[in-house]
Amino acid sequence: DAGVTQSPTHLIKTRGQQVTLRCSPKSGHDTVSWYQQALGQGPQFIFQYYEEEERQRGNFPDRFSGHQFPNYSSELNVNALLLGDSALYLCASSLPPYNEQFFGPGTRLTVL
Amino acid sequence: QQQVKQSPQSLIVQKGGISIINCAYENTAFDYFPWYQQFPGKGPALLIAIRPDVSEKKEGRFTISFNKSAKQFSLHIMDSQPGDSATYFCAASIWGAQKLVFGQGTRLTINP
Repeated sequence: DAGVTQSPTHLIKTRGQQVTLRCSPKSGHDTVSWYQQALGQGPQFIFQYYEEEERQRGNFPDRFSGHQFPNYSSELNVNALLLGDSALYLCASSLPPYNEQFFGPGTRLTVL
Repeated sequence: QQQVKQSPQSLIVQKGGISIINCAYENTAFDYFPWYQQFPGKGPALLIAIRPDVSEKKEGRFTISFNKSAKQFSLHIMDSQPGDSATYFCAASIWGAQKLVFGQGTRLTINP
């Protein structure tokens, strides 16, 4: 059983560009959450998707948006990239009662 | 009120010793407290979790102690091994809500 997978592994962009990160949840998991982990910090919750809708959102600007597809996979989009957006972006999936979250290996985004 | 404060930032323990990491939270609505272990290049993995109806939970060499009145919880790793060297994160959430609030992390090094 494959765990949570994310693509790409690494990504380099320049300021002002847009980026799309992808996540496939663990088999059978219907809820996906995205986290941003800056270097040396704990992950910070960006938002959560369930039934193709954003259900919860953390303290992130609307430059951060997402999507969930009918097969439960998800995308994270970040527009107008800033240097401060450089981080490891983690995707986590879960099943009811949604407490144990399984994290993917992350996508390392570098903004130059 | 969403913060979770974790200490120490880094910890060095001799093989066979006890590693202790502490966390404190502010939001009294939190009722689920997991600990995650993260190795370099990997996403966080759930290690052990506790709910406030018990003061202690033990799984193998890992024990969570929970003090509801002080709003503190800690992770004890008994008989620490070099393979335990990793970054550990405490987290808190409301049961079923999925949004995890993470501490800043503790880099644990076990010297052989």
